[in-house]
Amino acid sequence: QLQLRESGPGLVKPSETLSLTCTVSGGSIISSHYWGWVRQSPGAGLEWIGSMYYSGSTYYNPSLKSRVTMSVHTSKSQFSLNLTSVTAADTALYFCARHKLGSPLENWGQGTLVTVSS
Amino acid sequence: QSALTQEASVSGTVGQNITLSCTGNSDNIGSYIVGWYQQISHGAPKIVVFGNSLPSGIPDHFSGSKSGTTASLTISGLQPEDEADYYCSTWDYSLSGHVFGTGTKVTVL
Repeated sequence: QLQLRESGPGLVKPSETLSLTCTVSGGSIISSHYWGWVRQSPGAGLEWIGSMYYSGSTYYNPSLKSRVTMSVHTSKSQFSLNLTSVTAADTALYFCARHKLGSPLENWGQGTLVTVSS
Repeated sequence: QSALTQEASVSGTVGQNITLSCTGNSDNIGSYIVGWYQQISHGAPKIVVFGNSLPSGIPDHFSGSKSGTTASLTISGLQPEDEADYYCSTWDYSLSGHVFGTGTKVTVL
């Protein structure tokens, strides 16, 4: 059974870079699926950040595109998210997920809370 | 700003049938499969409906449908454990990405 698990620092200082990793188990990261990130600010709804294919093709939310980079590490069965120049508005629960292109997000990780504060 | 509009809240009694709606446009709901997600206490969202199909392990009192640019989630025979936040989502052609609904809080009275 496919499992996704997010990891990374729970606290990031303003203006620094938020870096998260999602580890995939129970399935191959080299597949017909895309790997994505979604976040949820406190008390708010869900916001898609971006998705990428194992070969490197990426789709980013235009509102975050200038600050987002995603990458895949096939040998480690991991994919990662970098979000630069963070502010308090980037404080959120971050989820990784799997989907096929143009289709709903089928599998989700448990989420990891990232707080931006000095 | 969310691209998909949902009711803020819907409530019902145990055993009642309720329907949640999700309104978009021709670039999203009108063109792509809609997913419905259940989120309990800000835990991981769980997909309960994929288009008009149920993922494995999802009880059959959930059902989904779509008409034009509006999708619907029906919970038949509401149970206390159905109390949660529900979000719709789909791909958006103009955004080239996923869009989510504003979310509906379901309360079981």
